[in-house]
Amino acid sequence: GAVVSQHPSRVICKSGTSVKIECRSLDFQATTMFWYRQFPKQSLMLMATSNEGSKATYEQGVEKDKFLINHASLTLSTLTVTSAHPEDSSFYICSARDTGGQETQYFGPGTRLLVL
Amino acid sequence: AQSVTQPDIHITVSEGASLELRCNYSYGATPYLFWYVQSPGQGLQLLLKYFSGDTLVQGIKGFEAEFKRSQSSFNLRKPSVHWSDAAEYFCAVGPSGSARQLTFGSGTQLTVLP
Repeated sequence: GAVVSQHPSRVICKSGTSVKIECRSLDFQATTMFWYRQFPKQSLMLMATSNEGSKATYEQGVEKDKFLINHASLTLSTLTVTSAHPEDSSFYICSARDTGGQETQYFGPGTRLLVL
Repeated sequence: AQSVTQPDIHITVSEGASLELRCNYSYGATPYLFWYVQSPGQGLQLLLKYFSGDTLVQGIKGFEAEFKRSQSSFNLRKPSVHWSDAAEYFCAVGPSGSARQLTFGSGTQLTVLP
């Protein structure tokens, strides 16, 4: 149980285009999902908290107009990187907090984004 | 504010040897504590968690961790390391904030020698 999927696992796009990443909780409901960014050999940096049915909460320094988050259902959150630039290339990981569980976050496998 | 310190950036052990990864935290209340493992290019997998009760918790893959309130520590241990244990290990504490998010340590990279 407690499986979180991400799609795509890897994406390459041209500078200026937008990329959408999906995060799904497969066997549990998650009113809260989190989006992280991870640079090589570094820890996770929380970008935003995605709440089902409401606006996402962004961490300081994260541009909400660039990283659009939608949490339309209890099992799906999407992160759209708009007008992507090479500096947006990174590993993006989502997690979902099990509403029925004990404050446990379950992580997706991550999405590797490369912007050319 | 809460924080997590993993003092060892990189640890190297021989296969079959014992392992201990250190984690110290700063938290204003009784924390929830977690250890996650990340293989290259992958997401994080939950190894174990502590919420309350027995301070020695057992996890998957033969790992265990001990919560020591007096030392603000939650060290991860394994009696005999396997080559497949080579990965990055993250300690986390929470929840905090209105979103009840976790705070992660900087990670410890484990290398296992044959």
